[in-house]
Amino acid sequence: DGGITQSPKYLFRKEGQNVTLSCEQNLNHDAMYWYRQDPGQGLRLIYYSQIVNDFQKGDIAEGYSVSREKKESFPLTVTSAQKNPTAFYLCASNKKVVQSSNSPLHFGNGTRLTVT
Amino acid sequence: SQQGEEDPQALSIQEGENATMNCSYKTSINNLQWYRQNSGRGLVHLILIRSNEREKHSGRLRVTLDTSKKSSSLLITASRAADTASYFCAGGTSYGKLTFGQGTILTVHP
Repeated sequence: DGGITQSPKYLFRKEGQNVTLSCEQNLNHDAMYWYRQDPGQGLRLIYYSQIVNDFQKGDIAEGYSVSREKKESFPLTVTSAQKNPTAFYLCASNKKVVQSSNSPLHFGNGTRLTVT
Repeated sequence: SQQGEEDPQALSIQEGENATMNCSYKTSINNLQWYRQNSGRGLVHLILIRSNEREKHSGRLRVTLDTSKKSSSLLITASRAADTASYFCAGGTSYGKLTFGQGTILTVHP
C-alpha cells in the first residue's frame, strides 16, 4: 500500500526542547509539504520541497526547520524559537507539477504535538 | 493568508438531504480543489476543478467554479452519516502550492 506515514501520532515535549516530526512517503512523489492546523482553522503552509536537497519557506516558517536528503523523507524540526508549537502537523506530497497545474495532495494522518 | 473562505462554518443536515458548501477566494487561481478531513485524520482529496472549467461531477459530488465571482461550491447529494467531516477548499495559485480555507464542518444525522 502506497502512502505517507507520519510518526509519532502524539508527541509531548517540554517548552524549550526541539522536537523532530517524521514524514515518509513511498508514492515516489517529488514534492513534499508540511502544514500546521490549529483548532477550527484551515491549514497553513510551513515548508515545502519540490526536489531532493532543496526546500522553500511557506507562510509560517519561523521557528521551524526541515531537510530533504532523500526523496522519501521530509522531517520537520520544531525548534524552541517557535512561540506556539502546540498544534496538529500534517505532511503531504504530490507529483511534480507543471506550470499552471497542481496535482492533488496526499496527506499523512498527522502528528499532534503538545508542548507544555 | 487564507486563499479560501468557506461558508457556512458549520452545517447540520439529515441523512438523505443535500449539503452545499461555498468557498470564496481572493486572488487568481489555476485550479480549486476540495478536500475532506475526518476528525483527527489527514485530508483526503475529493475533486479538482481547473480555472477554465465551470462544473465538475464525481459520484455524489458536484463542484462549480465561478472565476468572475471568485467562488466555488461543493454539493453533496443524498448525504449519508458517513459524510460527516470537515470540508476544505484550496486554491492553487503558483507552482506546487495550495492555500487552504478554514473549512466547513458538516454533520449528517442518521
